Amino acid sequence: DADVTQTPRNRITKTGKRIMLECSQTKGHDRMYWYRQDPGLGLRLIYYSFDVKDINKGEISDGYSVSRQAQAKFSLSLESAIPNQTALYFCATSDPGGGSKYNEQFFGPGTRLTVL
Amino acid sequence: AQSVSQHNHHVILSEAASLELGCNYSYGGTVNLFWYVQYPGQHLQLLLKYFSGDPLVKGIKGFEAEFIKSKFSFNLRKPSVQWSDTAEYFCAVRLTGFQKLVFGTGTRLLVSP
Repeated sequence: DADVTQTPRNRITKTGKRIMLECSQTKGHDRMYWYRQDPGLGLRLIYYSFDVKDINKGEISDGYSVSRQAQAKFSLSLESAIPNQTALYFCATSDPGGGSKYNEQFFGPGTRLTVL
Repeated sequence: AQSVSQHNHHVILSEAASLELGCNYSYGGTVNLFWYVQYPGQHLQLLLKYFSGDPLVKGIKGFEAEFIKSKFSFNLRKPSVQWSDTAEYFCAVRLTGFQKLVFGTGTRLLVSP
């Protein structure tokens, strides 16, 4: 979905390096999410944010941090990357409005991160 | 613990075969249910969703799913698959009153021509 973009799309880095993954959206949604996808484990929530001043840990936040710079931008950082953080990372957004649109999430194209 | 289970990790079908992918959840309250699809090399896209009303939900590309509350299930079906349905399929559940989606582990579908 071109409304949610992620940079970079692919990144190879070394153990101990600091990495930032960026997500931008033009959907005007307040809610943004970071997931990681691992084979056989599905998607697991790392962090989520319901507005610029609201940051919440997901189920696997250890080793990660986030920054919500604006309504449209939500960055994920790995302060000191380790090999088991090798995964596909997805950003998603959702509309807090009521009705059937509530909590339908729209995903970005993903960032494939490899930590050597 | 609250969870979402997809029993089939890999499914291989021939074109025109019928498809049913299982999804069960362990929440006891009111839920919203989703099926997402991820085509090779692409991001997740919503196939269909259930919030309330008719438990038989129709989505895009001929997919449908049935919510059976008594069985805590939301199985995905398609009468006749195509090669282009090759993808990974994820079931997701949101417990009403909570903000997060919980995803199943996914089912990889391979449709042979």
